[in-house]
Amino acid sequence: KAGVTQTPRYLIKTRGQQVTLSCSPISGHRSVSWYQQTPGQGLQFLFEYFSETQRNKGNFPGRFSGRQFSNSRSEMNVSTLELGDSALYLCASSLGASNTGELFFGEGSRLTVL
Amino acid sequence: AQTVTQSQPEMSVQEAETVTLSCTYDTSESDYYLFWYKQPPSRQMILVIRQEAYKQQNATENRFSVNFQKAAKSFSLKISDSQLGDAAMYFCAYRGPTVLGGGADGLTFGKGTHLIIQP
Repeated sequence: KAGVTQTPRYLIKTRGQQVTLSCSPISGHRSVSWYQQTPGQGLQFLFEYFSETQRNKGNFPGRFSGRQFSNSRSEMNVSTLELGDSALYLCASSLGASNTGELFFGEGSRLTVL
Repeated sequence: AQTVTQSQPEMSVQEAETVTLSCTYDTSESDYYLFWYKQPPSRQMILVIRQEAYKQQNATENRFSVNFQKAAKSFSLKISDSQLGDAAMYFCAYRGPTVLGGGADGLTFGKGTHLIIQP
């Protein structure tokens, strides 16, 4: 069974640009959540989607957005990139919407903003 | 807001010995879930162990066990018979109850403990 797949794995952007990251969950998983990991702030919750609906959102500015498609694949977008957006972005999937469900993480997309 | 604190940025243990990683958290909820996740150098995070707050019995998964003290809001991870493959960042995480009509907040993570296994 394939794991959570994130693309691209590495990317470099410049300030002011926008970026779209993609996440394919484990087959059958309907919930996808996104986390930002930085050395300073650690792991922070961005948002969670279940059946194409955003169920919850972390404390991030509106420049961070996401969506989920009918096949459960998810994308997150960051507009008007800032230097502080440089981070590892982790996607995680779970079978259902329950908060007890184990999260399965991808290897992440490492974004560098110059 | 919930907070999770891991007071040990780094721990070192000899192979085959036992090590305990500490975690404390703050919440006003009575129903929640606690997790320990492992992040090896390859970066893919995996679940080590999970504890439901309403269960008094401490969770155990093979060599991994927790000491859950709900009143003290403490959730430590004990790794017995440490192996080289246990070397990784370990994150303690909290997730609160599901809100009616919506979802639970995402996981709140601690800053992590870097575990080094000495051969």
